[in-house]
Amino acid sequence: DTGVSQDPRHKITKRGQNVTFRCDPISEHNRLYWYRQTLGQGPEFLTYFQNEAQLEKSRLLSDRFSAERPKGSFSTLEIQRTEQGDSAMYLCASSLWGGDTEAFFGQGTRLTVV
Amino acid sequence: AQTVTQSQPEMSVQEAETVTLSCTYDTSESDYYLFWYKQPPSRQMILVIRQEAYKQQNATENRFSVNFQKAAKSFSLKISDSQLGDAAMYFCASSNSGYALNFGKGTSLLVTP
Repeated sequence: DTGVSQDPRHKITKRGQNVTFRCDPISEHNRLYWYRQTLGQGPEFLTYFQNEAQLEKSRLLSDRFSAERPKGSFSTLEIQRTEQGDSAMYLCASSLWGGDTEAFFGQGTRLTVV
Repeated sequence: AQTVTQSQPEMSVQEAETVTLSCTYDTSESDYYLFWYKQPPSRQMILVIRQEAYKQQNATENRFSVNFQKAAKSFSLKISDSQLGDAAMYFCASSNSGYALNFGKGTSLLVTP
């Protein structure tokens, strides 16, 4: 297993377009997290899944943001009607269940909205 | 809600010297975990060290150790014998029993030869 994989690594889109990012977690990990990181800030939690169940989505930034994890494997994060303020690095992480378990991060998808 | 504060935006250390990065946190939970993550430029974030709040003993991982002061809600990271490869952004984070991580704003560490 090569770790958490995110695709694409970079995405440039025009304002108003929809974008979708994919995250492939480490195969045995049942938890999957999405974070957003803007310049000069730490990652900000968006949502997470345990297997296929989305256990927390109130921290998604607006109703333009949605995430899925069908069959508890890979996950997608979609942003509809992108705005310039959505420009950021979107990070995915996965872990086993447990309070102190290590979260493994992907390299992120850098979104630029022009 | 948990908040994490890192008051040092940038720190600098000479190779082979020791540096301490500061972190304070605020939580109403009795069961929580604390972490330091390292984010090298253009590379993914990796875990440096973790601490369970119920453990009084400070965690250590090779050249990395923490000073966990529970009453003061302080969780500093000490890097001994600093190496050029230690240069990165360092993020302090907390979590409640498997919930998501809450990160501070980070400290940029520069290591000079």
